[in-house]
Amino acid sequence: GAVVSQHPSRVICKSGTSVKIECRSLDFQATTMFWYRQFPKQSLMLMATSNEGSKATYEQGVEKDKFLINHASLTLSTLTVTSAHPEDSSFYICSANGLAMYQETQYFGPGTRLLVL
Amino acid sequence: SQQGEEDPQALSIQEGENATMNCSYKTSINNLQWYRQNSGRGLVHLILIRSNEREKHSGRLRVTLDTSKKSSSLLITASRAADTASYFCATGTGANSKLTFGKGITLSVRP
Repeated sequence: GAVVSQHPSRVICKSGTSVKIECRSLDFQATTMFWYRQFPKQSLMLMATSNEGSKATYEQGVEKDKFLINHASLTLSTLTVTSAHPEDSSFYICSANGLAMYQETQYFGPGTRLLVL
Repeated sequence: SQQGEEDPQALSIQEGENATMNCSYKTSINNLQWYRQNSGRGLVHLILIRSNEREKHSGRLRVTLDTSKKSSSLLITASRAADTASYFCATGTGANSKLTFGKGITLSVRP
């Protein structure tokens, strides 16, 4: 149980285009989903927290207009990187808390590697 | 900001040996968790210890928490080559709360 998927696993795009990453909880309902960014050999940096049906809460320094987050259902959250630039290249990971399970634990997706050319 | 600070940053041991990793944090917490990340993959939850607990075990894992020193340790006994990964501690303030991750420890277990 507690499986989280991400799609796509890898994406290469041209500078200036937008990229959408999906995060799904496959076997549980996720009250809260989190989006992280990780640079090589570094830790995870929380970008934003999203709750189903409400606006995401962004961490300081994260541009909400650049990183659009939608949490339309209890099993799906999307992160859209708008007008991507090479400096947006990174490993993006989502995680989710569940309704009926250990709510302090986050269950992570496998990550999406974004390369912007 | 990085709440947790792990040490050492890198650890290399022989298969069968024990691996001890430490984590320190700065603010009050509700719980502390350890996660593992294999290269290029997502994180896997290993164990959670609450602020009112001092020690927990799970298989070959033993975690301790000293809230007076704001520190935790993760012990992996009888290490295996498959334990090779990065290990992160993360602190939380309650249910559905965000976690703050440390910088991570790279563990290499030589066969």
